[in-house]
Amino acid sequence: QKEVEQNSGPLSVPEGAIASLNCTYSDRVSQSFFWYRQYSGKSPELIMSIYSNGDKEDGRFTAQLNKASQYVSLLIRDSQPSDSATYLCAVNKGGSYIPTFGRGTSLIVHP
Amino acid sequence: DAGVTQSPTHLIKTRGQHVTLRCSPISGHKSVSWYQQVLGQGPQFIFQYYEKEERGRGNFPDRFSARQFPNYSSELNVNALLLGDSALYLCASSLAVGQRGPGYNEQFFGPGTRLTVL
Repeated sequence: QKEVEQNSGPLSVPEGAIASLNCTYSDRVSQSFFWYRQYSGKSPELIMSIYSNGDKEDGRFTAQLNKASQYVSLLIRDSQPSDSATYLCAVNKGGSYIPTFGRGTSLIVHP
Repeated sequence: DAGVTQSPTHLIKTRGQHVTLRCSPISGHKSVSWYQQVLGQGPQFIFQYYEKEERGRGNFPDRFSARQFPNYSSELNVNALLLGDSALYLCASSLAVGQRGPGYNEQFFGPGTRLTVL
């Protein structure tokens, strides 16, 4: 089992829809969770961090964390074509301050 | 405020050569981490430095080395380049290492250095 798993996609959604991106992790004592957006040919950009169970909202983005089920998700409301990118999930394993990245999910928002 | 800066942006080398990549963190950030990213994969951790000390090393050969300077900037060195070293090399900075809580461990990436080994 990979430490951080993401479906590589692509996930295709129409403009204005909700995009749901999922990530599972293997280390039960993981403490910190991050979502990054990476446009083609560019470096990753931090979107959200989440540390506690539940939801965290920032604008059109909502991160959801469920430590019991070992998954973290990112919801993008009112998806725009400019949201088309690869979304990387990163997890700090228990006792570590070094994030382990998933391979990313490609999101395509079509007009 | 300026973000993380890296130089050079692109680099072409031949097998067997040596390369030095440079990174300056966000002002006030004391930790720098290096990652390698190949197409279709997430960033793979190489090194982490905090307060000029190595705090972590990923599963990379000894040809890879790094250091952090008193001004918190950092260099990544790769010796005896192989074709497989061709990748995007990313530097990320964070406020600190070892302190829990929002903000301290969030890593912010620079634009990267695209290394091509021929």
